[in-house]
Amino acid sequence: EVQLLESGGGLAQPGGSLRLSCGASGFTFSSFSSFAMSWVRQAPGKGLEWVSSITTSGDGTFYADSVKGRFTISRDNSKNTLYLQMNSLRAEDTAVYYCAKTLYSSGWSSFDYWGLGARVTVSA
Amino acid sequence: QSALTQPRSVSGSPGQSVTISCTGTSSDVGGYIYVSWYQQYPGKAPKLVIYDVYKRPSGVPDRFSGSKSGNTASLTVSGLQAEDEADYFCCSYAGTYTWVFGGGTKLTVL
Repeated sequence: EVQLLESGGGLAQPGGSLRLSCGASGFTFSSFSSFAMSWVRQAPGKGLEWVSSITTSGDGTFYADSVKGRFTISRDNSKNTLYLQMNSLRAEDTAVYYCAKTLYSSGWSSFDYWGLGARVTVSA
Repeated sequence: QSALTQPRSVSGSPGQSVTISCTGTSSDVGGYIYVSWYQQYPGKAPKLVIYDVYKRPSGVPDRFSGSKSGNTASLTVSGLQAEDEADYFCCSYAGTYTWVFGGGTKLTVL
């Protein structure tokens, strides 16, 4: 079964940077490079918010307006790893960040596997 | 990228059925078949329970069902069990590799 494990969370100052990583394992009938991947976050006591997605090869990247120009998603298929570089952090970026495998049905449809989450706190 | 609208809470007794609505626009819910629902227990990661409006992933009980009419999708949980008490989030594809979530609904089993 697919397993996703985030790392790199922690405390950052406003205006600072953090890089999250998500290691993937357990792909039995396909490979990490076959799937689009995404980041979804959840602020304390709040709902889920889609943050960013990346295509299978990494040549297409997409962002929520709230993070566009500040966050960069990338992947290394040789290492089965997804990344999220977060710059110019704001207090409102405080959240648990989940990496998620994007399910392909007749199109890229939903998120069928989730990591345990990485907590990011932005505070002075 | 406005959030989809869900009721903040719903409740039902064991054995009953409850339905959670999720309202969007023609640019998301109404425009695509890619509506999904997630179950989340406190402190845990979300779990996919419905995708593509009505499809169930392997292992999800058939007590969970989904539907859509126009710009509103719905999740129905039949034969409520205590273990169904959780937060539920709807999500819709919104075009060009972007998605939008609902604000979440707390399901309480009385």
